[in-house]
Amino acid sequence: DQQVKQNSPSLSVQEGRISILNCDYTNSMFDYFLWYKKYPAEGPTFLISISSIKDKNEDGRFTVFLNKSAKHLSLHIVPSQPGDSAVYFCAASGLTGGGNKLTFGTGTQLKVEL
Amino acid sequence: GAVVSQHPSWVICKSGTSVKIECRSLDFQATTMFWYRQFPKQSLMLMATSNEGSKATYEQGVEKDKFLINHASLTLSTLTVTSAHPEDSSFYICSALQGDQYNEQFFGPGTRLTVL
Repeated sequence: DQQVKQNSPSLSVQEGRISILNCDYTNSMFDYFLWYKKYPAEGPTFLISISSIKDKNEDGRFTVFLNKSAKHLSLHIVPSQPGDSAVYFCAASGLTGGGNKLTFGTGTQLKVEL
Repeated sequence: GAVVSQHPSWVICKSGTSVKIECRSLDFQATTMFWYRQFPKQSLMLMATSNEGSKATYEQGVEKDKFLINHASLTLSTLTVTSAHPEDSSFYICSALQGDQYNEQFFGPGTRLTVL
């Protein structure tokens, strides 16, 4: 039962353009969402997060949007850079009762081309 | 950010042997560490939550006698895969919680286990 889904296993974008990575979840108890970036042979590194009381959070080139009614979140990267090429995971957690346990999506491989 | 290391980074073992994987927080103390497992092209699946000085909390479907977790100090948690079999071959990754916030969970680089 995959409670967090990233339906696009890969995405290719030109340098300078916007990258949009999508994530859907099924568990309505999730109320905190995070995006992680992962390079090969390295652990995931935290990028940006959003609480369910917000619908947008921005940090530099990264913006996360949350649509609670649709149980959907997206990560926008603009402008995309070649160094952004990596696997991106979204993760979700429930602040109430779930503690710090994270449920991860399957990841999207982003390739930013010159 | 804080650094979490794992050792070994990869290991190949024979079926039936036990393998120990170490997870260390190098520059901070972590009362809570997590162990994940990742199959190819799949998500990171939480196996267990490791708390310093107490028993680990295992997720449903994870055999605690198969995957022994010890969190003996604030900077070290170990995962021992006992009597490993080929189906245990996977990528094991740990994370350490520096504070109370979710974005203070730092991940190790992972350990690739191959059981022959």
